[in-house]
Amino acid sequence: DIQMTQSPSSLSASVGDRITITCRASQGISNYLAWVQEKPGKAPKSLIYAASSLHSGVPSRFSASGYGTDFTLTVSSLQPEDFATYYCQQYDGFPWTFGQGTKVEIK
Amino acid sequence: QVQLVQSGAEVKKPGASVKVSCKASGYTFTSYYIHWVRQAPGQGLEWMAMIDPSDGRTPYAQKFQGRVTITRDTSTSTVYMELSSLGYEDTAVYYCARSVSGTDYWGQGTLVSVSS
Repeated sequence: DIQMTQSPSSLSASVGDRITITCRASQGISNYLAWVQEKPGKAPKSLIYAASSLHSGVPSRFSASGYGTDFTLTVSSLQPEDFATYYCQQYDGFPWTFGQGTKVEIK
Repeated sequence: QVQLVQSGAEVKKPGASVKVSCKASGYTFTSYYIHWVRQAPGQGLEWMAMIDPSDGRTPYAQKFQGRVTITRDTSTSTVYMELSSLGYEDTAVYYCARSVSGTDYWGQGTLVSVSS
């Protein structure tokens, strides 16, 4: 199985901050990488597909990049609704696998 | 609009089975895969299995092989996930999600509690 490793596991930030989360795959996955946002008690929300493409309706403060094994998710100016846990997910091969998550907390 | 509506919460005893449904609407059912992902309390997201509604093909995660069965009813645009031999560790929220390139829409989730 392809292992996905995110860093950091958690971070504290303030509204307006720029944050970056990294995700590393244990083998090359081309651009078959998604980012998912999860909030307690709510269904996950898909933010990014194909490593860098925003799903419809996702604010432009979210951006992502990467190819092969190394990927990043950036939020340019953190908003109150962005405090959540973020997961990367590879869909290059079965089983699909998620990173362990990065919890973004209010400083 | 695209919607995935899941069945309601379930409470099951250890050793029992549970069947969760996911009814799709707002798009061509056979054009998108449906995945099942679960989240145990305090844990991360875990991919379980997928079904291609056009042909019924179902890749499963090895961890659930032999215990999970994914089926679909194209007449009602509904996908079913059945998990057998439930243990306490299967207590989780189970989500269905649609995909074509990674997941896009998710169901609201179904809490399955395993308790004696």
